[in-house]
Amino acid sequence: DTAVSQTPKYLVTQMGNDKSIKCEQNLGHDTMYWYKQDSKKFLKIMFSYNNKELIINETVPNRFSPKSPDKAHLNLHINSLELGDSAVYFCASSQAGEGGNEKLFFGSGTQLSVL
Amino acid sequence: GNSVTQMEGPVTLSEEAFLTINCTYTATGYPSLFWYVQYPGEGLQLLLKATKADDKGSNKGFEATYRKETTSFHLEKGSVQVSDSAVYFCALRSGYGQNFVFGPGTRLSVLP
Repeated sequence: DTAVSQTPKYLVTQMGNDKSIKCEQNLGHDTMYWYKQDSKKFLKIMFSYNNKELIINETVPNRFSPKSPDKAHLNLHINSLELGDSAVYFCASSQAGEGGNEKLFFGSGTQLSVL
Repeated sequence: GNSVTQMEGPVTLSEEAFLTINCTYTATGYPSLFWYVQYPGEGLQLLLKATKADDKGSNKGFEATYRKETTSFHLEKGSVQVSDSAVYFCALRSGYGQNFVFGPGTRLSVLP
């Protein structure tokens, strides 16, 4: 079983459209994340949820809206897609623990191409 | 704020060569340090970690030692293989509830 699964793997769409990416983890983790990886492989945190509550919200346009219906799911909805949104989006999860040494488990990524 | 700096790539080596990828960090307190690896078309996977000064993380022949005095966590491997070709990310987490901070990644290509 895949620990962190996200769909779709590839998403090609026109500028101005609205799209969603889904993520599910079966690890029982409390915390889930969305990261954006640009073409140079630089990885940037977008959002973090702990038990369905938003705890990190980096400087991300309002067109991006995360939704966590339960602690095993964190979906990402993007309105009015722009060319600059083209990137690979990774979902990840971790389990809270002392010492800050818990590790991240990543999904395999969603490659978004906006034409 | 917290940050991670890595040597710029790409790094190209011949099979069985020695590998070093430098990583230095800036953080408050005593962060935990990580190396993640991303193979082509996949998500990141934890390679190794160290949670306190002088700890050595190791996995699959890779090693890195947490050096607090130099704020470094350099990744090394004695003999690389073609299958080690990937992008390597150094990362830190400064404490419970804190965000993971990633370096920019270093692409490694190993030629047969």
